Amino acid sequence: DAMVIQNPRYQVTQFGKPVTLSCSQTLNHNVMYWYQQKSSQAPKLLFHYYDKDFNNEADTPDNFQSRRPNTSFCFLDIRSPGLGDAAMYLCATSTQGRDGSTEAFFGQGTRLTVV
Amino acid sequence: GNSVTQMEGPVTLSEEAFLTINCTYTATGYPSLFWYVQYPGEGLQLLLKATKADDKGSNKGFEATYRKETTSFHLEKGSVQVSDSAVYFCALSEGMTGGSYIPTFGRGTSLIVHP
Repeated sequence: DAMVIQNPRYQVTQFGKPVTLSCSQTLNHNVMYWYQQKSSQAPKLLFHYYDKDFNNEADTPDNFQSRRPNTSFCFLDIRSPGLGDAAMYLCATSTQGRDGSTEAFFGQGTRLTVV
Repeated sequence: GNSVTQMEGPVTLSEEAFLTINCTYTATGYPSLFWYVQYPGEGLQLLLKATKADDKGSNKGFEATYRKETTSFHLEKGSVQVSDSAVYFCALSEGMTGGSYIPTFGRGTSLIVHP
């Protein structure tokens, strides 16, 4: 029944060592999002794809990149992780529903630790 | 732009108490409104939604009514359980045009229920 799947659930990486987080979906939704969430805060949008169109938030650091090779998969690449990048990373999808709403479906998240 | 304002937490209640978490919004169009719940270490799950004025969303004993005149979508539950302890996010999104489909989240309200 899993619809948005993130791997791995927990990732430990070394300071400055590139790391990739992955997300897949079985919903065939055209929009995919990456959020960063730190303790006790709201999710912060990093970027999203509308179909193949990439949309970067203005305050997303260049250290964060993303790839969407097809509808089902999306990757978050952190080129040189710093201690401040330790967070929960959430992938989500959405599309226009029959009721006109655009509900977001979230994965379980990847908890990134930087050592 | 769109925004969502939630009451600050944590909200601490005894089991079987009545719960209200306030949420108000500003939007340029006609948004759909959502409540998401996040359990510790997990992603966000949709709790309920309402797509137009005066609609009531309900799920698992939780309810919220879309009040256009007061731009509010307060979450209520008549009798909370320990298992309801989580962080609750109010959110809105609009249709799939103009970039307004991107969910806008409130800051989240932590609920702690004691036995």
